[in-house]
Amino acid sequence: DSGVTQTPKHLITATGQRVTLRCSPRSGDLSVYWYQQSLDQGLQFLIQYYNGEERAKGNILERFSAQQFPDLHSELNLSSLELGDSALYFCASSVAPGGNQPQHFGDGTRLSIL
Amino acid sequence: GENVEQHPSTLSVQEGDSAVIKCTYSDSASNYFPWYKQELGKGPQLIIDIRSNVGEKKDQRIAVTLNKTAKHFSLHITETQPEDSAVYFCAASIDYKLSFGAGTTVTVRA
Repeated sequence: DSGVTQTPKHLITATGQRVTLRCSPRSGDLSVYWYQQSLDQGLQFLIQYYNGEERAKGNILERFSAQQFPDLHSELNLSSLELGDSALYFCASSVAPGGNQPQHFGDGTRLSIL
Repeated sequence: GENVEQHPSTLSVQEGDSAVIKCTYSDSASNYFPWYKQELGKGPQLIIDIRSNVGEKKDQRIAVTLNKTAKHFSLHITETQPEDSAVYFCAASIDYKLSFGAGTTVTVRA
């Protein structure tokens, strides 16, 4: 158990809808990362937050947004969903924001768009 | 951005034999190289990492080597066991971002 908690585990919705994925980092970790894992694109970095502030952006679509709250949990919001958004979404956390910090992953949210 | 290539994509080994997975990266500024193991239905689990100022690191049956000049790093698993069967990912870090290889599916035959 990595200590990173993601909810829900599974989410099924329709095209055009909006969903929110939630992540609680490991105790003591201040930085949260979001990744998308799909069969064709592999594991792709989306966005990183540290202590409530955005630190780095990767291949995140404009339809997607995230935030980190004062209690350090994070939410990833996906809107105007398309079939291609079906994927596993992982949250990871680390103590500090640097790119050389060990990141620990949760077990993900599987999003299925019908 | 950083580009990480990983080989082979699949690897089948006899229990007790060694497994080696190789990765190359493109940006010489990358300075941190973790390896993750992912089992079915689970998230990637960090198994070992190495920083750019170190050439080799070992943890029980797992070792990682780094060649900064050639920009490649490798994972070595010795005395493989059935529980080593999983997908393994290498990654390279630059500017707060981890770039992952495509993964290697390792099957350990009993």
